Amino acid sequence: GAGVSQSPSNKVTEKGKDVELRCDPISGHTALYWYRQSLGQGLEFLIYFQGNSAPDKSGLPSDRFSAERTGGSVSTLTIQRTQQEDSAVYLCASSPKSGSYNEQFFGPGTRLTVL
Amino acid sequence: EDQVTQSPEALRLQEGESSSLNCSYTVSGLRGLFWYRQDPGKGPEFLFTLYSAGEEKEKERLKATLTKKESFLHITAPKPEDSATYLCAVQAGNSGYALNFGKGTSLLVTP
Repeated sequence: GAGVSQSPSNKVTEKGKDVELRCDPISGHTALYWYRQSLGQGLEFLIYFQGNSAPDKSGLPSDRFSAERTGGSVSTLTIQRTQQEDSAVYLCASSPKSGSYNEQFFGPGTRLTVL
Repeated sequence: EDQVTQSPEALRLQEGESSSLNCSYTVSGLRGLFWYRQDPGKGPEFLFTLYSAGEEKEKERLKATLTKKESFLHITAPKPEDSATYLCAVQAGNSGYALNFGKGTSLLVTP
């Protein structure tokens, strides 16, 4: 079946602009996660959704970052007033349900470049 | 603070030359340890989950093992198509459902 999809695959923006990144999880997966992968760094957790609610936002680096999920499916990560340090690959993952012992399946990522 | 350290950072093998990758971890209450493979420009691909010390899992030329302090990913008779970055991640009791990743081992297998 179809995997996790993300759009756009690449986004180049100017410092100070807002960007929206989209994630379509695997159909039926109730849990959704956003991570960030910066050059030379490991994957960094940003936020976790169970259904449409976000019980864990602890990884969001600043109040410029926000995310929402609608209909228990598609999620959007928004970065306001982008900065050069926001440049990274943003990865989305989903799993069949919340809780431990559930593998997270990743999408291909969105490469964000802030000029 | 939970920590995940992978070694070596990079490894070059000749085709058929077996080796092991290491993942050392310090967490409060391990729920699971995960291995992923990541090819350039792609998202991580799930390989294994290990839950308790002593557990082992195999898939083709890969075998993952787990102790109370570390996990090994053994690669037997690797082929060039095994070249990728291998990521280790832990899910801990005090971190909700987020995965805490190491920085990965970049593996290159030459013919």
